Amino acid sequence: KNEVEQSPQNLTAQEGEFITINCSYSVGISALHWLQQHPGGGIVSLFMLSSGKKKHGRLIATINIQEKHSSLHITASHPRDSAVYICAVRSAGAQKLVFGQGTRLTINP
Amino acid sequence: DAGVTQSPTHLIKTRGQQVTLRCSPISGHKSVSWYQQVLGQGPQFIFQYYEKEERGRGNFPDRFSARQFPNYSSELNVNALLLGDSALYLCASSLLTAGFTEAFFGQGTRLTVV
Repeated sequence: KNEVEQSPQNLTAQEGEFITINCSYSVGISALHWLQQHPGGGIVSLFMLSSGKKKHGRLIATINIQEKHSSLHITASHPRDSAVYICAVRSAGAQKLVFGQGTRLTINP
Repeated sequence: DAGVTQSPTHLIKTRGQQVTLRCSPISGHKSVSWYQQVLGQGPQFIFQYYEKEERGRGNFPDRFSARQFPNYSSELNVNALLLGDSALYLCASSLLTAGFTEAFFGQGTRLTVV
């Protein structure tokens, strides 16, 4: 079992829909990251969380430390949101990030 | 201020050859990490360097090596290339080596081994 599991692996929705991507992890963490990767390959950091909830524009990220679970929500989705969304965690005291396999999101107009 | 820059962006090599990939971190960042992302999978940790010293190594063979220079830029070297080394190689820089520290990623180097 991977340390970081994401669901769903693929998600297709219509423009305007509310999107939820889930991430579960199995280790104690110092930080959880939500990242966005476009087809060109570059990765952009969306959020870094250790507790609670963060919001940036139409994006909301939440984390439940006790349940070892995080969600990324996109409100009023738009075709430009189409990308791969990746959850990554940094274990307490560890140097490396451990990544989930990513969720491929496609928003159709 | 420039973000994390990687070069080259694309590279094609033949099996058995050697390759060097380069990364310049964000100004002020002393930590550089390298990740390998095979198509359809999440990135896998290869190395972390901080203040020119190796601070972490992932489960990769000795064909993979890296170093960090006094200006904190870094090189990743892969010897005796195999077809399975074909991947996107990502560099990430951060202020700290661990803990609640944000990672900033470059655009990656896409390596194809033929």
